[in-house]
Amino acid sequence: GQQVMQIPQYQHVQEGEDFTTYCNSSTTLSNIQWYKQRPGGHPVFLIQLVKSGEVKKQKRLTFQFGEAKKNSSLHITATQTTDVGTYFCAINSGGSNYKLTFGKGTLLTVNP
Amino acid sequence: DTEVTQTPKHLVMGMTNKKSLKCEQHMGHRAMYWYKQKAKKPPELMFVYSYEKLSINESVPSRFSPECPNSSLLNLHLHALQPEDSALYLCASSQGRMRTVNQPQHFGDGTRLSIL
Repeated sequence: GQQVMQIPQYQHVQEGEDFTTYCNSSTTLSNIQWYKQRPGGHPVFLIQLVKSGEVKKQKRLTFQFGEAKKNSSLHITATQTTDVGTYFCAINSGGSNYKLTFGKGTLLTVNP
Repeated sequence: DTEVTQTPKHLVMGMTNKKSLKCEQHMGHRAMYWYKQKAKKPPELMFVYSYEKLSINESVPSRFSPECPNSSLLNLHLHALQPEDSALYLCASSQGRMRTVNQPQHFGDGTRLSIL
């Protein structure tokens, strides 16, 4: 099935700094989803991107899907301590609409 | 608060025990999932039920046996587990009426399983 590479693995920032995590695929993606998992918690769906070049915003979070639909990014402006957690991208794989394969995730820690 | 409820939250069992994990959702979703998540790793898909039928088994060992009694319930029966099976087991659900793209998955809080 399709795989997706996510970088960086870890990111530590001072509160107020920006943060970006990237996901890259060697093949064209039909869509990409983003999830956040707080420490000790469960993954929570953030957004789904479907269209080439799509940009979606949720308050301080900006999600982008590349023009070639092979990469995606999540950018957080002016991080807050509540942003702490692991951010995962997830893609369709194995030809099934139900099968999600997650990237390895980026663990974000924020120093107050 | 999660709309997918998993019980128990924690489970410690010996390698010879038989236990079951339970998952319930009342969102009318027709696809339900079991994932395994090890510490500092992403969730790994184990099983998918679509309209109460098993549609995906990711080559999971037979000591894990899923069951979907109805559209709201999902069980995972455990028997003769190994220490390496210790992990967080997550249940998720989605609408299930997919044609071209995935729909968001709603996860439960998970069951933290420890095998002695």
